[in-house]
Amino acid sequence: DAGITQSPRHKVTETGTPVTLRCHQTENHRYMYWYRQDPGHGLRLIHYSYGVKDTDKGEVSDGYSVSRSKTEDFLLTLESATSSQTSVYFCAISVRGTGGGYEQFFGPGTRLTVL
Amino acid sequence: DQQVKQNSPSLSVQEGRISILNCDYTNSMFDYFLWYKKYPAEGPTFLISISSIKDKNEDGRFTVFLNKSAKHLSLHIVPSQPGDSAVYFCAACFSGGYNKLIFGAGTRLAVHP
Repeated sequence: DAGITQSPRHKVTETGTPVTLRCHQTENHRYMYWYRQDPGHGLRLIHYSYGVKDTDKGEVSDGYSVSRSKTEDFLLTLESATSSQTSVYFCAISVRGTGGGYEQFFGPGTRLTVL
Repeated sequence: DQQVKQNSPSLSVQEGRISILNCDYTNSMFDYFLWYKKYPAEGPTFLISISSIKDKNEDGRFTVFLNKSAKHLSLHIVPSQPGDSAVYFCAACFSGGYNKLIFGAGTRLAVHP
């Protein structure tokens, strides 16, 4: 357990409304990530952060923005939700593993449905 | 263009036998590879990893093999147990690239008695 929580765990919203998902970690990890999981695609990186106020785009960043004003919180915002953003969203942190590389540990996920 | 591919969407294995899950990658710059296990309604759980300087890593019932010349890795589970039934994701990263992971699409393993 890497001390990662996500809120809300489930959300149903309507097309065009703004939505913010929160990822909270308690162990002061520097790197944080947002992924979405869709059938047939595995997990795809939306945005990541390498420190407070330091963020960058991932593979599928269109329609999403992020903010990290403090180490423990990484927020993902859908400015105007669309049906194509219906997905399961996972937050992750990165930890140095025993194998010489970094391993990511994931939160429990947020299931978002956009009607 | 998928850089990490898991070509088998599903695999069915009898309890006690070996499960072999396969993964191929295209980018020779990847230098660290990981396997994750995912149960429904939960986040992925880290299982085992391997650095590109090795060709095998073992942890209990789980062994990962890396064949760099073929750009192929595999996860062996011996013996398979019903609790191993889950979706398994292969992932790869560049150690200098903010540790970003590229995932395969996953293989659903079913272990039946």
